[in-house]
Amino acid sequence: QKEVEQDPGPLSVPEGAIVSLNCTYSNSAFQYFMWYRQYSRKGPELLMYTYSSGNKEDGRFTAQVDKSSKYISLFIRDSQPSDSATYLCAMSAKAGNTPLVFGKGTRLSVIA
Amino acid sequence: DAEITQSPRHKITETGRQVTLACHQTWNHNNMFWYRQDLGHGLRLIHYSYGVQDTNKGEVSDGYSVSRSNTEDLPLTLESAASSQTSVYFCASSEGSRDEQFFGPGTRLTVL
Repeated sequence: QKEVEQDPGPLSVPEGAIVSLNCTYSNSAFQYFMWYRQYSRKGPELLMYTYSSGNKEDGRFTAQVDKSSKYISLFIRDSQPSDSATYLCAMSAKAGNTPLVFGKGTRLSVIA
Repeated sequence: DAEITQSPRHKITETGRQVTLACHQTWNHNNMFWYRQDLGHGLRLIHYSYGVQDTNKGEVSDGYSVSRSNTEDLPLTLESAASSQTSVYFCASSEGSRDEQFFGPGTRLTVL
């Protein structure tokens, strides 16, 4: 079993839809969780950063962590064509001085 | 503005040649990382460094080497390029005590 599992998609939704992206993980030591967005032919950029369990909201984006289920989610409300990208989850057990473990990414297309 | 740059952005080389990819960051970050990204594999860690003179092997380090002589730069060397090393290479950096990694724009390498 991979440490981090992420459905590669592709996921195609109409503009305005609510999008749910998910990752599961096996290492119960993970405490720091991130979501990166990667546009085609660009480097990943950090979208959301959360510590431990709970929710974090930033505009149309909400990151949710359920450590008891080893499951993290990213919700995108009122999705826009500009949200079309690959979304990668990443996590670590310790802040700093520990390599991140990445999911393989989910490719999202938002159709106008 | 502080940034992270990679050069060259595109390179075509022949099997057996030595190739060096440059990564330069102006954030004064202690941590630097090299990844390769391939379809179906996501981001895979090649080498990383937590400071000057420190280097560590990642998941896919065979055939690659790095050296860290200053804070700003972490060049990646392919000792004898192989066709299996055709990929997109990303450099990233982060502060010493934090996980959030900032990625460069990537280098697309083709080995013929």
